Amino acid sequence: DAGVTQSPTHLIKTRGQQVTLRCSPKSGHDTVSWYQQALGQGPQFIFQYYEEEERQRGNFPDRFSGHQFPNYSSELNVNALLLGDSALYLCASSLPSGGSYEQYFGPGTRLTVT
Amino acid sequence: AQSVTQLGSHVSVSEGALVLLRCNYSSSVPPYLFWYVQYPNQGLQLLLKYTTGATLVKGINGFEAEFKKSETSFHLTKPSAHMSDAAEYFCAVSFYNKLIFGAGTRLAVHP
Repeated sequence: DAGVTQSPTHLIKTRGQQVTLRCSPKSGHDTVSWYQQALGQGPQFIFQYYEEEERQRGNFPDRFSGHQFPNYSSELNVNALLLGDSALYLCASSLPSGGSYEQYFGPGTRLTVT
Repeated sequence: AQSVTQLGSHVSVSEGALVLLRCNYSSSVPPYLFWYVQYPNQGLQLLLKYTTGATLVKGINGFEAEFKKSETSFHLTKPSAHMSDAAEYFCAVSFYNKLIFGAGTRLAVHP
């Protein structure tokens, strides 16, 4: 059973550039959430996608956007990168009405903005 | 509002000693609570979860946690620490399928 996969593993970008991160959910899951984990901190919720729509959003600017495809995979896009966007970006998948709201995480994408 | 507080950003124990990582939560609805572990340069792995029912929850790798509503706590314990337990541990509360994490506790295990 394939777990949550993310690509790329590492990424280095320059301030002002744009970046796209990708996520494939665990088999059977149809909800994808994205989290940002800055160094030494707990993950912070960015947004969640279900049925190809953004269902809820955390306190992140509009520079952060996403997309979910019919096969439930998802992308996270960040425009006009800032140094403060350097972080580990985690994707998690779940079932929307599983009751326990258990989320399974991928290995993350380490983004460095220089 | 939902929030999680983890007391102690760093905990150090000897191999074979009791592990106790503290977590207190605030939730306006009956909470779903989770403990995750993160090894260096890796994602998060679910250790255990509390949804409803039995308040003592057993997880993987010998960890367990007890939900105490009166104390709004969900502390993580393991009777005997192993070197391989050294990692970062995160407590989280779920709010409408969105996880809210604590700041984490780094566990060090010494020989």
